[in-house]
Amino acid sequence: DGGITQSPKYLFRKEGQNVTLSCEQNLNHDAMYWYRQDPGQGLRLIYYSQIVNDFQKGDIAEGYSVSREKKESFPLTVTSAQKNPTAFYLCASRRAGNTEAFFGQGTRLTVV
Amino acid sequence: KQEVTQIPAALSVPEGENLVLNCSFTDSAIYNLQWFRQDPGKGLTSLLLIQSSQREQTSGRLNASLDKSSGRSTLYIAASQPGDSATYLCAVKTGNTPLVFGKGTRLSVIA
Repeated sequence: DGGITQSPKYLFRKEGQNVTLSCEQNLNHDAMYWYRQDPGQGLRLIYYSQIVNDFQKGDIAEGYSVSREKKESFPLTVTSAQKNPTAFYLCASRRAGNTEAFFGQGTRLTVV
Repeated sequence: KQEVTQIPAALSVPEGENLVLNCSFTDSAIYNLQWFRQDPGKGLTSLLLIQSSQREQTSGRLNASLDKSSGRSTLYIAASQPGDSATYLCAVKTGNTPLVFGKGTRLSVIA
């Protein structure tokens, strides 16, 4: 089936650790996005990429890093510099132009 | 900077009622507006996409309207069912920027 796959579904991080969240899509979409969702805050944009080997910071990029080496993959690394990483992370993608965006099922990250 | 507001934040209705969810945005120069549904602990499911040139879109019991000039969209749900209980989010695309989201309306439909 075509779609966006995020893994893992749940992730636990110790203080000072870097962790990487996976996002893979087989929809042949050009653009990919990472959002963070906190209770009462709505979705906030972390990073996005509109083509391979290029990406831009969103509103809350500090403490995060990404790469876009392949069209179908857009991993997000939460670094130790991110002071409050506990949140629900959502990946999205869409074709070029004013097209519909689709989301993965999310990864819940908890700092222990 | 585009800002999106959804009112009310929460809504509880009896089964069978027709209801309207509201979304407003500050910059009317949008390319499109998208409505999503989110169940607890899950990702977002796309419900309807309205392009800036369109006035409304329909899918089953859902109807979304768009008034660009006033910066408003409504999502109409007919004959609500308990299975409609979820959080509904609207998001707008302005220029070449990613979607900007409202905080959502949490809907409870009581049997």
